[in-house]
Amino acid sequence: QSALTQPASVSGSPGQSITIPCTGSRSDVGFYNLVSWYQVFPGQSPKLLVFEGNRRPPGASPRFSQSKSGNTASLTISGLRTEDEAEYFCCSYAGDVAYLFGSGTKVTVL
Amino acid sequence: QVHLEESGGDSVQPGGSLRLSCVASGFTFSSFTLHWVRLAPGRGLEQVAAIRSDGVGTHYADAVHGRFVISRDNSEKTLHLHMTSLRLEDTGVYFCTRVYDGGNSFLFWGGGTVVTVS
Repeated sequence: QSALTQPASVSGSPGQSITIPCTGSRSDVGFYNLVSWYQVFPGQSPKLLVFEGNRRPPGASPRFSQSKSGNTASLTISGLRTEDEAEYFCCSYAGDVAYLFGSGTKVTVL
Repeated sequence: QVHLEESGGDSVQPGGSLRLSCVASGFTFSSFTLHWVRLAPGRGLEQVAAIRSDGVGTHYADAVHGRFVISRDNSEKTLHLHMTSLRLEDTGVYFCTRVYDGGNSFLFWGGGTVVTVS
C-alpha cells in the first residue's frame, strides 16, 4: 500500500501549462484506467477535477485534463491562473474497495 | 443533494481513542460503499478505511489495521470510525466520502472533522 509518487511542488507563470506526474505500479495505475485528480485548498474538502480518462464532474474546468502512459498518470493544467494555487492529489483504484492516493503536489503560480 | 457531515474529532493523547461519525442524506445510504479518507499534514491524502453497503466487507490501510474499526448503521444513515491506540501520525482531518453513482472516483465529500494526537 505505497502512496503514488508525485513531485512535492510544481510552478509556472500565468497562462502557461504545467504537468504533474503521478507514478504508481502495474497493480494500480498501470492496471486500471481509473485515476482521478483532486484539488485541495487549505481548510477545504478535496474537490474532484478529472477522472477515468478525461471525464469531469459538473462545473469542473476544461483547463484540467489527464493522460496516462504505463504506470504514470499526469494532470495538465492549461492556461495557469493564480486561483490554481493549491495542492493536487492523484488517486488510483487498487482493487476491491481499495484506493491509493498520491503524495501530493503543491502548485505555485509565479 | 448528497450531504455528508462528520463529527467526533477532538484532541487526544497518544494511546487514546475516538469515535468519528458521519451522517448522510440525499441518497440511498444502504446502496453505497463508504470511505474514510484523511488529510494529514506533510503526508497528504490517505484512504483509511472502507465498508461495503451491506456492512460486511471492509478494507483498512496498513497503517491503521488492527487499531481502527469502520462500521455503519444503515437504518440511521450513519458511518462510524472507532479509532484506538492513536498515534501522533494519526493527526489530520478525517473526511467521509463516497464515489459517484456506478463509478470509482470520490465526488462527494463531507467537510471533515479534525483529529489531533499530541
